[in-house]
Amino acid sequence: DGGITQSPKYLFRKEGQNVTLSCEQNLNHDAMYWYRQDPGQGLRLIYYSQIVNDFQKGDIAEGYSVSREKKESFPLTVTSAQKNPTAFYLCASSIVPGPNTEAFFGQGTRLTVV
Amino acid sequence: GESVGLHLPTLSVQEGDNSIINCAYSNSASDYFIWYKQESGKGPQFIIDIRSNMDKRQGQRVTVLLNKTVKHLSLQIAATQPGDSAVYFCAENPSPGVAGGTSYGKLTFGQGTILTVHP
Repeated sequence: DGGITQSPKYLFRKEGQNVTLSCEQNLNHDAMYWYRQDPGQGLRLIYYSQIVNDFQKGDIAEGYSVSREKKESFPLTVTSAQKNPTAFYLCASSIVPGPNTEAFFGQGTRLTVV
Repeated sequence: GESVGLHLPTLSVQEGDNSIINCAYSNSASDYFIWYKQESGKGPQFIIDIRSNMDKRQGQRVTVLLNKTVKHLSLQIAATQPGDSAVYFCAENPSPGVAGGTSYGKLTFGQGTILTVHP
């Protein structure tokens, strides 16, 4: 089935450690996105990519890094510079360009600092 | 910057009632809007969308209304069921029709409304 797969579902990070969240899609979408969601809040955009080998900072990019070496993959690294990384991370993708720009979401990765 | 917000953070209804969830947006350049449903611990799921050249769009048990004059969006759910309990987000895209635009496909989300349906 087509869709977006995020892994792992749960991730624990020690203080000062970098961790990488995986996001893979087989929808042949050009655009991919990473959002952060804190309890009781909406989604905030971290990074987005509209094409392979190109990506742009979102609203809260500090402490995060991404790469887009392949169309189907958009991994997110949470670096030690991110002081409050505990959150629910959502990856999404959408067709660019196209008449419908709805974003399709993965099931999320819950990151906890221990 | 521009933002999308919701009037009511929580809504409780009885099974079988109709639900109305509201959303205010402030970016007058937005011309594409989406409602998402998010169940606990899961990613958001697309419910329905609407473009600014429309003021109403219907799906199965759901209707989205757009009032551009007051920059207001609403989601109506008919005959609400316990399975409709979730957080509902509205999202806007400033200019989906501008190919190559930096905001193309980039959605701005509201805070969300928690809908609880009581049997």
